[in-house]
Amino acid sequence: GAVVSQHPSRVICKSGTSVKIECRSLDFQATTMFWYRQFPKQSLMLMATSNEGSKATYEQGVEKDKFLINHASLTLSTLTVTSAHPEDSSFYICSASALGQGHAYGYTFGSGTRLTVV
Amino acid sequence: TQLLEQSPQFLSIQEGENLTVYCNSSSVFSSLQWYRQEPGEGPVLLVTVVTGGEVKKLKRLTFQFGDARKDSSLHITAAQPGDTGLYLCGFGNEKLTFGTGTRLTIIP
Repeated sequence: GAVVSQHPSRVICKSGTSVKIECRSLDFQATTMFWYRQFPKQSLMLMATSNEGSKATYEQGVEKDKFLINHASLTLSTLTVTSAHPEDSSFYICSASALGQGHAYGYTFGSGTRLTVV
Repeated sequence: TQLLEQSPQFLSIQEGENLTVYCNSSSVFSSLQWYRQEPGEGPVLLVTVVTGGEVKKLKRLTFQFGDARKDSSLHITAAQPGDTGLYLCGFGNEKLTFGTGTRLTIIP
């Protein structure tokens, strides 16, 4: 089955620094990947849609300059949290669907990245 | 405002009991999906329902899509500790948006 690998699984960084999170589709190509954020005991909130070879589409209220997304290939999308602050601490999860399959076959999710900003 | 409201938000029951969780909206959907998420992991797809009134079974889990395609339910029979997790309904053709979630705990 489709596998999405997310790295790192946990990261602790100092306030003011930037952190990059990688999302890779291991055995399929994904023109579109999605980035979610999840606070404790809450659901997943869609942050942005990452499109291969073009600019990401951000959801309302998400700062694009704060959360930089790059989707340079059909198997890799990165999310960079710039100038991180403690309130950015959260669980970040990416997902992807196989090329041309869309929602009908479901989305495959990475295992998430626990970001803690101290 | 969340487009998909799930209830209850939290549910804790004894092993062996039955339960139903709900996913409700005022909007009509062409399809809905159910996912389960375990702590520290990403969600995993359980089922996609497409037709109004559709019922799908996955072992002890029964999913139903409302006739008007505005709501869905998940019924678990004889719950087991392994059913513990966050249950999410979601919709979207171009991008997946989740409901508010139901956090289920099965007590051995």
